[in-house]
Amino acid sequence: EVQLVESGGAVVQPGGSLRLSCAASGFTFDDYAMHWVRQAPGKGLEWVSLITWDDDRLDHVDSVKGRFTISRDNSKNSLYLQMNNLRTEDTALYYCARDVASSGSGTFDYWGQGTLVTVSS
Amino acid sequence: DIQMTQSPSSLSASVGDRVTMTCRASQRIGDYLNWYQQKPGKAPNLLIYSASSLHSGVPSRFSGSGSGTDFTLTISSLQPEDFATYFCQQSFSNSEWTFGQGTKVEIK
Repeated sequence: EVQLVESGGAVVQPGGSLRLSCAASGFTFDDYAMHWVRQAPGKGLEWVSLITWDDDRLDHVDSVKGRFTISRDNSKNSLYLQMNNLRTEDTALYYCARDVASSGSGTFDYWGQGTLVTVSS
Repeated sequence: DIQMTQSPSSLSASVGDRVTMTCRASQRIGDYLNWYQQKPGKAPNLLIYSASSLHSGVPSRFSGSGSGTDFTLTISSLQPEDFATYFCQQSFSNSEWTFGQGTKVEIK
């Protein structure tokens, strides 16, 4: 059974930093690209970041470029999101999601339950 | 960015009803269109990919159609477990994948 379990969410002040983690199990982690997708309270879904199976391609939505960095450790079956210089508009539930392809097709077939990031003074 | 617009934003229906919702893309996206179901407090689940292909384990009462800019998700006979919010999403672009704002299906 595919499982994705996020952690690391917290309440942080504007300008602060957080590192989110996603532990994957039930599939061969390094066969798939992975993503972070977020959902602000009561709002819709926003794609945030992509990393291909081999780290060859990393990409982020424009609003977080220069502040967020996605990474992965295939030896630990883990995905990460380093979030710096956080803004109030980054407040959201952050989901880890698996792509159907190793190169990143933009179709998300499995999702974790999310970890909540709240940016507030 | 490709903008995705869903309609209606919400609808009320009864168990057994046939339900249809639409999604429109701001430019042609071929069949690079996915549908997700999200229940309150839960993560989204993939229902339909490539506009009309059913994801593994999804009941056959769900179907998708369309290509280019206009797409439809149909539930042939609404079941109690189908009350949820449905999101469309384009996978046409190389990045900056975007979602519609959602259609909430409520009990009549």
